[in-house]
Amino acid sequence: DVKVTQSSRYLVKRTGEKVFLECVQDMDHENMFWYRQDPGLGLRLIYFSYDVKMKEKGDIPEGYSVSREKKERFSLILESASTNQTSMYLCASSLEGAGGTEAFFGQGTRLTVV
Amino acid sequence: GENVEQHPSTLSVQEGDSAVIKCTYSDSASNYFPWYKQELGKRPQLIIDIRSNVGEKKDQRIAVTLNKTAKHFSLHITETQPEDSAVYFCAATNFGNEKLTFGTGTRLTIIP
Repeated sequence: DVKVTQSSRYLVKRTGEKVFLECVQDMDHENMFWYRQDPGLGLRLIYFSYDVKMKEKGDIPEGYSVSREKKERFSLILESASTNQTSMYLCASSLEGAGGTEAFFGQGTRLTVV
Repeated sequence: GENVEQHPSTLSVQEGDSAVIKCTYSDSASNYFPWYKQELGKRPQLIIDIRSNVGEKKDQRIAVTLNKTAKHFSLHITETQPEDSAVYFCAATNFGNEKLTFGTGTRLTIIP
């Protein structure tokens, strides 16, 4: 059973703080993704990674960076948190191959920036 | 990059009737089209998917159709039940880098 685990369910941070969101998967998946979910806007891709140390920008990368030092772990970094980054953040992973496979999601981190 | 549009944003259907959600995509390099269901407070989960070499796929009460020429695909739910109430997301995956792009979601409400 695939497990994708995000380090925090709820997080409250102050404006200007550096914030780390961690995601770990236990199924040896090559692909990992970070999305933010906002009402009416769906799931918007921030960054994704298809291999260790490899990353690609998604549709809304501004204000974020990522790190993938190990295959199982994908971190999202908010360099200087702002109130407009208050959102639900979802991590996902998928097996590489055939141009796409099922993505498995973490439980989400609701981040509030005050 | 890929752009996935999804309609409608909300849909209310009488229990037992059918529901249809439609999506269009822009990148002809996309070849894998999954649908996810997200119940309130839970994570999205895959319910059905289709690849570009297939026109239709069914799994019990749900089906997906794909028109590659027109770049649109649809989710069909028949004999709807209260447990079908959820937010549904369509998505498209780029064949080259497997970037997964989602639509904006459809909130489906089944009226008992």
